[in-house]
Amino acid sequence: GQQLNQSPQSMFIQEGEDVSMNCTSSSIFNTWLWYKQDPGEGPVLLIALYKAGELTSNGRLTAQFGITRKDSFLNISASIPSDVGIYFCAPEGGSNYKLTFGKGTLLTVNP
Amino acid sequence: NAGVMQNPRHLVRRRGQEARLRCSPMKGHSHVYWYRQLPEEGLKFMVYLQKENIIDESGMPKERFSAEFPKEGPSILRIQQVVRGDSAAYFCASSPPATSTDTQYFGPGTRLTVL
Repeated sequence: GQQLNQSPQSMFIQEGEDVSMNCTSSSIFNTWLWYKQDPGEGPVLLIALYKAGELTSNGRLTAQFGITRKDSFLNISASIPSDVGIYFCAPEGGSNYKLTFGKGTLLTVNP
Repeated sequence: NAGVMQNPRHLVRRRGQEARLRCSPMKGHSHVYWYRQLPEEGLKFMVYLQKENIIDESGMPKERFSAEFPKEGPSILRIQQVVRGDSAAYFCASSPPATSTDTQYFGPGTRLTVL
């Protein structure tokens, strides 16, 4: 079966630092989505990527769809305390609805 | 425009009881998806429903789990004879008729604890 690896599992950083996390897979995907989940809440979509090699920004967030279609990364620049949460990659492989979620990266930002 | 609503937010059941989880999609959304999240894991797809139809239930356990999305009212995820391993957060997402993966909006989840 397909394997989806998200790393790092957790990160502890100081406010103002940049953060990078990534997902790699044994399978090819058509779409890569990145979500953030706050404690006790559902995931909220941050960025959607549709083409291999695509680089997309949303404010302080930047994400890229790997050229092989098997990986993606998410960068957060100049982190702030409200960036705390769990970040998930969620690629989709052709069904147009069935998302596969990584195990998440827990981000802690120290003020 | 209210978001996806789920209730209850927390549900405690004893082994062998039934759990019924409700999901009201966003206004104008006719597609509903259920996902399960075990502790320290990502969400796992369970089932995709449209009004009165189950489109894809490939992620649903074969026994004890069922889902429906009637013509009127919320979508229901039903778990019969719950066991401890059913303890998880269950999330519902909805999307408008012209569905694509980036239009799934998630509810706040129901956290099920089986004693």
